[in-house]
Amino acid sequence: GAGVSQSPSNKVTEKGKDVELRCDPISGHTALYWYRQSLGQGLEFLIYFQGNSAPDKSGLPSDRFSAERTGGSVSTLTIQRTQQEDSAVYLCASSFTRGYTFGSGTRLTVV
Amino acid sequence: EDQVTQSPEALRLQEGESSSLNCSYTVSGLRGLFWYRQDPGKGPEFLFTLYSAGEEKEKERLKATLTKKESFLHITAPKPEDSATYLCAVQARPYNFGNEKLTFGTGTRLTIIP
Repeated sequence: GAGVSQSPSNKVTEKGKDVELRCDPISGHTALYWYRQSLGQGLEFLIYFQGNSAPDKSGLPSDRFSAERTGGSVSTLTIQRTQQEDSAVYLCASSFTRGYTFGSGTRLTVV
Repeated sequence: EDQVTQSPEALRLQEGESSSLNCSYTVSGLRGLFWYRQDPGKGPEFLFTLYSAGEEKEKERLKATLTKKESFLHITAPKPEDSATYLCAVQARPYNFGNEKLTFGTGTRLTIIP
């Protein structure tokens, strides 16, 4: 597709369950980012992938969060043992040179 | 630590009423300042990148300007379709292993009333 695709668009989960969020970047984009957007707060950087290099995980808020990128393309963000404070919109962006293209995000609600 | 503060939090304007949105920033070394537009339920959409003080960029009814401490997004004769949240972000220099991460402000929610 022409844009960054994220799935699911909405996810409601029970506290303590694990969730997986998926991102399909634009074909040919080597850089991929995950951000989190909480109500009333700015976008918060989570993790960065560049090609086959080791990811920059410096923004992950706890060890319950992890992400992988397979074949330099699709990425999955996993949140284990979800907590209510994990409720937010999770945005993925991809980039080739400068400037990002964002997906529409996954709205995660932990009940 | 890089910081971005946007004001006002919300702004309501009549159609045709021009105004400006402010973005104040502190960054160790500015590589770029970005403006994005975000509509409800969608991801941010890129508008402009500014790289050095004194630079200006325009797109339709929007013009972005940059000084060493702040950026303004001027909107001239806005239309209802300009209603959205406008986000400002900075990218610092040097960056870690090519990580061009952005530090975002919380945005200005703009409403244009017909």
